[in-house]
Amino acid sequence: AQSVAQPEDQVNVAEGNPLTVKCTYSVSGNPYLFWYVQYPNRGLQFLLKYITGDNLVKGSYGFEAEFNKSQTSFHLKKPSALVSDSALYFCAVRDMWGASKLTFGTGTRLQVTL
Amino acid sequence: EAGVTQFPSHSVIEKGQTVTLRCDPISGHDNLYWYRRVMGKEIKFLLHFVKESKQDESGMPNNRFLAERTGGTYSTLKVQPAELEDSGVYFCASSQGLHYEQYFGPGTRLTVT
Repeated sequence: AQSVAQPEDQVNVAEGNPLTVKCTYSVSGNPYLFWYVQYPNRGLQFLLKYITGDNLVKGSYGFEAEFNKSQTSFHLKKPSALVSDSALYFCAVRDMWGASKLTFGTGTRLQVTL
Repeated sequence: EAGVTQFPSHSVIEKGQTVTLRCDPISGHDNLYWYRRVMGKEIKFLLHFVKESKQDESGMPNNRFLAERTGGTYSTLKVQPAELEDSGVYFCASSQGLHYEQYFGPGTRLTVT
């Protein structure tokens, strides 16, 4: 079985500061990893993915994520947070050669303040 | 390019009634998925279509839920009869292949009273 843990229900950061949203995963084979963001009253929006290759993945809106196989982590990062980044962030995983369904974490609410 | 669309955006029904949710995937996407998020918990997989065929329905909670994708285009998810625990947000997603990212619709918020 595959699983995702997002240990923080909420992350608070001041605008201009770096942000990190944590994600750890468990999957039997090689992972495909994803980050999605949900803005208020909107659907899930794809941010970035790790399939293979470089451990640092760059995505939309200046976000990036670092794949760490030994720590089974895929933390989302941004060097300088914006108030407009405030939203709900979901990490998801699937087995590369298994079923294509995604397993999600419970989500982390990011609050960026002035 | 139009994204994934879902209808209705919000539905309020009484326990025991029937509701049908619709999803229109991105044009050309053969893979269509249904997920739901209940009570602010994690988003859980319900089922996966490849064209009109059910590839994986391991997440369907019980036989009160029926999903169809006639003709391999749009999909419907019927809940009959609805129970209180069915309340939540139902998301549809589509992808152009099994190894591509899934694009999600805005969701349908179902409230069963």
